[in-house]
Amino acid sequence: QKEVEQNSGPLSVPEGAIASLNCTYSDRVSQSFFWYRQYSGKSPELIMSIYSNGDKEDGRFTAQLNKASQYVSLLIRDSQPSDSATYLCAVKTPGTYKYIFGTGTRLKVLA
Amino acid sequence: DADVTQTPRNRITKTGKRIMLECSQTKGHDRMYWYRQDPGLGLRLIYYSFDVKDINKGEISDGYSVSRQAQAKFSLSLESAIPNQTALYFCATSDFQQGGRGEQFFGPGTRLTVL
Repeated sequence: QKEVEQNSGPLSVPEGAIASLNCTYSDRVSQSFFWYRQYSGKSPELIMSIYSNGDKEDGRFTAQLNKASQYVSLLIRDSQPSDSATYLCAVKTPGTYKYIFGTGTRLKVLA
Repeated sequence: DADVTQTPRNRITKTGKRIMLECSQTKGHDRMYWYRQDPGLGLRLIYYSFDVKDINKGEISDGYSVSRQAQAKFSLSLESAIPNQTALYFCATSDFQQGGRGEQFFGPGTRLTVL
């Protein structure tokens, strides 16, 4: 079992719709969770971090964390073609150096 | 101005050549990292450093070495480049916080091609 799993996609959504991206992780003691957006050939850009169970909203983005289910998700409201990118989920366990990255979900927003 | 910079941005070299990739940051972070990214394999950690005197191997350090010249500078060297080191290389930084929750920030990357 991979430490951080994401569906590779592509996930296609129409412009204006809600895109839902999911991530599961295996280490129950993980406490820090991050979502990055990566355009092709570019570097990962941090868009959300979440540490507590529940929802965290920032503009059109909402991160959701459920530690009991070892599940973190990212919702993108009013999706725009410019949101088309690969979204990486990353998990960090306290007291360690490692950020464990998923391989990413490719999102395509159709105009 | 960019907080994390990498030079060069693109490099084509030949098998057996020595290559150095450089990373500088103005974020004031203590922790710095080198990753490589290959299609389908995601980001893999090469080396990481918590401060100038603390350098550690990551999961794929063979064939690479690093130098932390200052808090703000962290260089990655390929002593004798080989074709399977062709990849996108990223430097990253993070700030140590209570409980190790620090967010990680990436430089723009170096696209390295070894012929």
